[in-house]
Amino acid sequence: RKEVEQDPGPFNVPEGATVAFNCTYSNSASQSFFWYRQDCRKEPKLLMSVYSSGNEDGRFTAQLNRASQYISLLIRDSKLSDSATYLCVVNSLYNFNKFYFGSGTKLNVKP
Amino acid sequence: NAGVTQTPKFQVLKTGQSMTLQCAQDMNHNSMYWYRQDPGMGLRLIYYSASEGTTDKGEVPNGYNVSRLNKREFSLRLESAAPSQTSVYFCASSDHRDRHSNQPQHFGDGTRLSIL
Repeated sequence: RKEVEQDPGPFNVPEGATVAFNCTYSNSASQSFFWYRQDCRKEPKLLMSVYSSGNEDGRFTAQLNRASQYISLLIRDSKLSDSATYLCVVNSLYNFNKFYFGSGTKLNVKP
Repeated sequence: NAGVTQTPKFQVLKTGQSMTLQCAQDMNHNSMYWYRQDPGMGLRLIYYSASEGTTDKGEVPNGYNVSRLNKREFSLRLESAAPSQTSVYFCASSDHRDRHSNQPQHFGDGTRLSIL
């Protein structure tokens, strides 16, 4: 079983829509959680860290559900520029120097 | 502030040739990483270095060697390149000091490597 699993999509949404992605992780000892954005084979860029109580950054909201072992990313008022692949990243408490990446969820925002 | 710098950005090799991918970071981070990314797949960890002087294998280390030259630099070497090593290679660093650090990784632009 993969450490981190994501729906590959693509999610095709119109501008202005709200879209949500989930990501599940298998190791209950996972400690740190992040969402990254990757554009067309460019380098992954940190979108936001995910905190236990949930956190928001502008149009982006991240949530963590430890009981069910998943994290989510909600994007409100989607922009064309949000089109990208979103990577879920998890770090283990017991192997904290290793980061486990999901394969990514592709988002296409259409005019 | 350059962050993480990788060289070269592109390279074409013939099967059996060797080369070294260079990576340097100027953020005084302890940990550095090498990943490869193939079409339709996520990032796979090749090797990482938790601190200067240490290196460890990741998921896909076969065919590669690494050197943590100093705190800033972490190089990846292909001794005898094979077509299966055609990929995009990313270097990353993080200020991950202990299990409670919760520090993210920062990536270089990538090296696009083709092996014929």
